Amino acid sequence: DSGVTQTPKHLITATGQRVTLRCSPRSGDLSVYWYQQSLDQGLQFLIHYYNGEERAKGNILERFSAQQFPDLHSELNLSSLELGDSALYFCASSVVTSGKGEQFFGPGTRLTVL
Amino acid sequence: AQKITQTQPGMFVQEKEAVTLDCTYDTSDPSYGLFWYKQPSSGEMIFLIYQGSYDQQNATEGRYSLNFQKARKSANLVISASQLGDSAMYFCAMREGNRDDKIIFGKGTRLHILP
Repeated sequence: DSGVTQTPKHLITATGQRVTLRCSPRSGDLSVYWYQQSLDQGLQFLIHYYNGEERAKGNILERFSAQQFPDLHSELNLSSLELGDSALYFCASSVVTSGKGEQFFGPGTRLTVL
Repeated sequence: AQKITQTQPGMFVQEKEAVTLDCTYDTSDPSYGLFWYKQPSSGEMIFLIYQGSYDQQNATEGRYSLNFQKARKSANLVISASQLGDSAMYFCAMREGNRDDKIIFGKGTRLHILP
């Protein structure tokens, strides 16, 4: 158990809908990262938040947005969903002071868009 | 251009043998970190080992070691005495600079351990 929690574990929805994925980082970790893992694209970095502020953006679509709240949990919002958004969405957290920057991943949310 | 290259999409290895998973990387930043993660069929991503670009010695964590060849930009993962539970997808990843902005992942190698 990495200490990172993600809910829900599975999500099935229809095209055009909007969903929210939730992540709670490990205790003490200020950084939260979101990744999308699909069969054809591999593991893609989406966005990074540090202590409530956006630090870096990757291949994140405009239909997707995220935020990190004062209690450090984070939410990833996916809107106008398309079939191609079906994927495993990971949240990870890290503690900067470790010097390594290793990230600890949550169990993921499997999104299926029908 | 790909920053992390894993050339072995799949490997089959006999149980108890050692296995080497290849990874090459590309960066112009003198400071970087290299990681290996394991993803079993259950889906979770498990951090295995880390190597910093300035580390003088190859990293080791139990049965895992990282064969770091800086001049060749290679960071191969070596698993000694493989076990059935080592069957999984393995990802090589890189953090550029000292920043913690993001980690770039390779496409992975699927390792099958045969009994």
